[in-house]
Amino acid sequence: AQSVAQPEDQVNVAEGNPLTVKCTYSVSGNPYLFWYVQYPNRGLQFLLKYITGDNLVKGSYGFEAEFNKSQTSFHLKKPSALVSDSALYFCAVLPFSGNTGKLIFGQGTTLQVKP
Amino acid sequence: DAGVTQSPTHLIKTRGQHVTLRCSPISGHKSVSWYQQVLGQGPQFIFQYYEKEERGRGNFPDRFSARQFPNYSSELNVNALLLGDSALYLCASLLGTPNTGELFFGEGSRLTVL
Repeated sequence: AQSVAQPEDQVNVAEGNPLTVKCTYSVSGNPYLFWYVQYPNRGLQFLLKYITGDNLVKGSYGFEAEFNKSQTSFHLKKPSALVSDSALYFCAVLPFSGNTGKLIFGQGTTLQVKP
Repeated sequence: DAGVTQSPTHLIKTRGQHVTLRCSPISGHKSVSWYQQVLGQGPQFIFQYYEKEERGRGNFPDRFSARQFPNYSSELNVNALLLGDSALYLCASLLGTPNTGELFFGEGSRLTVL
């Protein structure tokens, strides 16, 4: 079965420290991978995506993600966290299943950045 | 530019009733997807429409239906509401063909079923 796992319900970091939010996936073929962020009572905002090419993808607000095919992971990273980064983060995968546009989301990881 | 707009933003229904949720995509976007986000979980794919045709359907019962209009706006209909249908319903629009995945989400319609 195709799935996405975010093993941490919550990640706590101090402002200014680097952050990592973990994501692993299980799909057949070469997937497209995404990160979205959700602020309280808001919809999801696109952060970045991996389609092909360089394994390190840079996205919005200083975030980046590293694709690792052998470990089937796509961890989200940021060198220096801000309090305003506190939000709910979702990893998602788009299986290459032919034009259904069906994104499979993980359960989400709450990022708490403390001053 | 206007983003994806959804209405209503909040609504309360009782079991057995019917609900219609509406979505207007970003101008120029021809694809609309619907997702259900139950509290504490990630969004679950319900439908995708592209050029007014259904292109994908998630694992939801037939009580859930949708359509896309000539102006690319969309409606999600849910019949015979159950308590478990309480959720945030997210609409997303997509520029391009369905398999590029860079969705632009609206802020959702929060449905409470009592």
